[in-house]
Amino acid sequence: DAMVIQNPRYQVTQFGKPVTLSCSQTLNHNVMYWYQQKSSQAPKLLFHYYDKDFNNEADTPDNFQSRRPNTSFCFLDIRSPGLGDAAMYLCATSRGQGGREQYFGPGTRLTVT
Amino acid sequence: GQNIDQPTEMTATEGAIVQINCTYQTSGFNGLFWYQQHAGEAPTFLSYNVLDGLEEKGRFSSFLSRSKGYSYLLLKELQMKDSASYLCAVRMNSGGYQKVTFGIGTKLQVIP
Repeated sequence: DAMVIQNPRYQVTQFGKPVTLSCSQTLNHNVMYWYQQKSSQAPKLLFHYYDKDFNNEADTPDNFQSRRPNTSFCFLDIRSPGLGDAAMYLCATSRGQGGREQYFGPGTRLTVT
Repeated sequence: GQNIDQPTEMTATEGAIVQINCTYQTSGFNGLFWYQQHAGEAPTFLSYNVLDGLEEKGRFSSFLSRSKGYSYLLLKELQMKDSASYLCAVRMNSGGYQKVTFGIGTKLQVIP
């Protein structure tokens, strides 16, 4: 089945130690998104790719970076994780920006110790 | 800017009907989504409205009034598995691209 896959599902990292979260999709969608969701809060868009065009939200900290080497894969790099970065990180895709809905991966829950 | 409001929590009885409201204030409105999110899981798509009116899909219906900045999600014949958060999300034109902003979600508890 076509889907959005995130690895790992659970990630523990140390304060200040760089960490990379992965997302892959078999839907062949041209738009990929990264959201941060903290407990009892709305998913917050960090950035998205429209094909290779990168769009960073104005309030996304510089600590967060992203790479999209090809259509199928997208990575979220957190250069120096702080305790406040502990959250669920959701990857999503859509067929164009006018697509009817976004398809979400299962998420990666990040713990910072 | 945009502002999306929905109740934080609701409780309803199994077999009953529940309506979850969402109001929004935004410029460049271009559609409203409802997603279901079970605890610790990813959101899953329920419905989409871009024109005024009611969209029905099985036990779930969603209504939109663009002039009032108002939507609701109607869940019929509630089941215990419907206990989840329901996220209202608004798509808008922003800086040359389309952006979806999520509300905080309404946590629905279905009781026997």
